[in-house]
Amino acid sequence: DTGVSQNPRHKITKRGQNVTFRCDPISEHNRLYWYRQTLGQGPEFLTYFQNEAQLEKSRLLSDRFSAERPKGSFSTLEIQRTEQGDSAMYLCASSLEWGFGTDTQYFGPGTRLTVL
Amino acid sequence: QKEVEQDPGPLSVPEGAIVSLNCTYSNSAFQYFMWYRQYSRKGPELLMYTYSSGNKEDGRFTAQVDKSSKYISLFIRDSQPSDSATYLCAMSLTGNQFYFGTGTSLTVIP
Repeated sequence: DTGVSQNPRHKITKRGQNVTFRCDPISEHNRLYWYRQTLGQGPEFLTYFQNEAQLEKSRLLSDRFSAERPKGSFSTLEIQRTEQGDSAMYLCASSLEWGFGTDTQYFGPGTRLTVL
Repeated sequence: QKEVEQDPGPLSVPEGAIVSLNCTYSNSAFQYFMWYRQYSRKGPELLMYTYSSGNKEDGRFTAQVDKSSKYISLFIRDSQPSDSATYLCAMSLTGNQFYFGTGTSLTVIP
């Protein structure tokens, strides 16, 4: 078990470009979460998957953001037509089902996005 | 009103001090309460997890949940320089969506 991994670790892009981030959760975890964190703030929930199903999305998630988890394993987060306000750390976390004594989210190291 | 309020600090204490970190929340339905530690440019790391009310102790760390006051606390005894980090509280109703505080920056001075 190598923990949650995220790639790339850093991404610099120009405004208007599309970017895609990848998250590989802990292998037996069926839940996967995406968060965004800006400087001096706590992580802000974006979306959550149970296996391959996207079950919740924050109303803060604009239509430029899309996430997938096609086979219930890794997930991708795509941001289209990036804006400078998208500059942030994008965090992925995974967990087992909640409420059965295994209630722990494990976070990855994050992908730091800078939009110029 | 934000779901979770946390004093951002910064908080600076001498080594060996007892540290008290706190969060308040507005949604009385929250039932999962967590404290995370985050070092600079790293992902958060779970420190303590409590379901519903009560206290939980793990080594030098004690987490308390007071649902009647909508208030949670994390106490760190015998603080060490390695405890210097940002501490985030987080809570959830069902384990689906999590609400984080802004984090409190802590520095333990040797």
